[in-house]
Parts: sequence; structure tokens; C-alpha cells
Amino acid sequence: AQSVTQLGSHVSVSEGALVLLRCNYSSSVPPYLFWYVQYPNQGLQLLLKYTSAATLVKGINGFEAEFKKSETSFHLTKPSAHMSDAAEYFCAVSAPYIQGAQKLVFGQGTRLTINP
Amino acid sequence: DAGVTQSPTHLIKTRGQQVTLRCSPKSGHDTVSWYQQALGQGPQFIFQYYEEEERQRGNFPDRFSGHQFPNYSSELNVNALLLGDSALYLCASSLFRGRSNEQFFGPGTRLTVL
Repeated sequence: AQSVTQLGSHVSVSEGALVLLRCNYSSSVPPYLFWYVQYPNQGLQLLLKYTSAATLVKGINGFEAEFKKSETSFHLTKPSAHMSDAAEYFCAVSAPYIQGAQKLVFGQGTRLTINP
Repeated sequence: DAGVTQSPTHLIKTRGQQVTLRCSPKSGHDTVSWYQQALGQGPQFIFQYYEEEERQRGNFPDRFSGHQFPNYSSELNVNALLLGDSALYLCASSLFRGRSNEQFFGPGTRLTVL
């Protein structure tokens, strides 16, 4: 079974500041990990994914995340926040590919606010 | 290249009614998964369809059922609607043999049950 905990339901940073969104996972098998972003009244867009290759994953819009097995974490970072980054962010975990696509298990989400 | 499309965008129903939501997957994809996202929550997995069969199911009652057609499109049916069924319903498409488990999401259908 898999589960995800996102620490902090709301995060507020100033424009130009570092963005850090925290995600810890629990999985009985080696996990695949994902970060999705959701803008108001829209679906989810994939930012990046970890599928057991490089532990530092770079995604779209300047975001990156590092898989740390010892800490069971997959935190999302961006060096410099832009106003357009304001959105809801979801961390998700799945089992690895086993003869077919696997379901995603999502965290509760973190709402990111950017202050001018 | 069309992405995942869903219809309708919004829907208002009353308790006890039945509803059908529709999804067309991204071109080239053969698997459709449905998720329910209650307000302020993360999406929760309902079920997944591949080759017109339900392959995986989450912790949802039998009132939730689905179907996949030969062209890979899918429907989600909910019977005997409850107030608690009010949510954003998201459809996601993927490749069943795609080894990354990457899923592409549609814009969702907002269901309001009065």
C-alpha cells in the first residue's frame, strides 16, 4: 500500500524567494513519485516524475525534486518564485510498473501563495 | 494533438438521481482512470479501465460504475446520488504498458448534488 503526506496545507513566499513544498511517502514497494500542479478550475498538470532513475529530477517551469529513500521524501523546490507559480500542488505515489498501469495515490495538496 | 477531454463541464443534480460523465483519452492512450476530488482534498482513485474491463478499483461503493468503449473513451456512472458525491471528477489517460505510470488529466467535471 502507498500513502503520501504533504507537510503544510498552505505555503506563502515572496516573489523571487525559494519555494520548498514538502512531501513524504510510505510504500511497501519501490515507489514512483510525481508532482502535479492544479490551477483554479482546471485539471492536473504533471510537473515532474521519479521512476527509479536519477534521484534529482528536473521538471517544467524551473521546478525540481530530489528522491531521498532514507528520508522517504520527495520535496519540490524552485530557486526563485514567480507570481504565476501560485496554485495548488499535489504529490502522488504509485507502485512501479507491474504488467500494467498503476493507480496514483495523492496527498492532500499544498496551496502556494506568492506575495509581490 | 488533443489532450484528455471531459463532458460536461458542470452538472447539477438532486439527491437520488443518476449521472453519467464522459471522457475521451489523449490520442494514442488506451487506459482511462477516474478520480474524485472533493473540495480542498487531493484526488481519490475510483477505478481504471483497460480493454473495456475494470482493472483496478478504489474504495468506492457499487453506486459508482463505469464503462470503456472500443475507441478507448469512457463513462463514469453514479446512481442514487448523495450530497457527499458533490466533487470535481477527473479523468486521466495513460498507456497500460507505459512503464512510467504517467497519467494525463482532463479539466474535470464539477458535479453539484442538491
